[in-house]
Amino acid sequence: DIVMTQSPDSLAVSLGERATINCKSSQSVLYSSTNKNYLAWYQQRPRQPPQLLIYWASTRESGVPDRFSGSGSGTDFTLTISSLQAEDVAVYYCQQYYSSPYTFGQGTKLEIK
Amino acid sequence: QVQLVESGGGVVQPGRSLRLSCAASGFTFSNFGMHWVRQAAGKGLEWVAYISYDGSNIQYGDSVKGRFTISRDNSKNTLYVQMNSLRGEDTAVYYCAKDLRGHCDSWGQGTLVTVSS
Repeated sequence: DIVMTQSPDSLAVSLGERATINCKSSQSVLYSSTNKNYLAWYQQRPRQPPQLLIYWASTRESGVPDRFSGSGSGTDFTLTISSLQAEDVAVYYCQQYYSSPYTFGQGTKLEIK
Repeated sequence: QVQLVESGGGVVQPGRSLRLSCAASGFTFSNFGMHWVRQAAGKGLEWVAYISYDGSNIQYGDSVKGRFTISRDNSKNTLYVQMNSLRGEDTAVYYCAKDLRGHCDSWGQGTLVTVSS
């Protein structure tokens, strides 16, 4: 199974500042035939179901603000929020969908400093 | 818009069975794969199972393999998971999610399953 490890486990950032969350997979999730990274990011606000933010490691889902961006390839990925807003308080998860079981990272809790 | 509504959760004794349903609307259900994902209270997300649009490809997470069965009825726009031999560690909110080329692009609100004597 592919193990997904996020860092840090929690993060406190001031409003308007940048937030960076990392995700590392135990093996590459880059599929050579498509040249796509099978990596998604989700946001889960308190008492809400998860919402898709980013897929293919860097493609923003429709309706997601452009302050959210994803980067990385192979085994190392980053979710960046360029200017933190109050509504971004949430837990963020990465997930690989390269191979079953489609494992999630443990989550990173983002709070306002 | 896409709507996914889970039902069937409740309190069940260890070793017993339960079937969850997910009613889908707002999209052509028979064209998309579907997932079940669960979340224990205060914990992270755990992927449970996947079924392809036509039911020909099914995958399970390690912790539920052999106990859970995912299925679908495209004539009823409904996804199911049959959960047998339930354990305390199966206690969680269960979400259904619509698949889009591997990732989950829409999620339901979830249904709570509590396994307790």
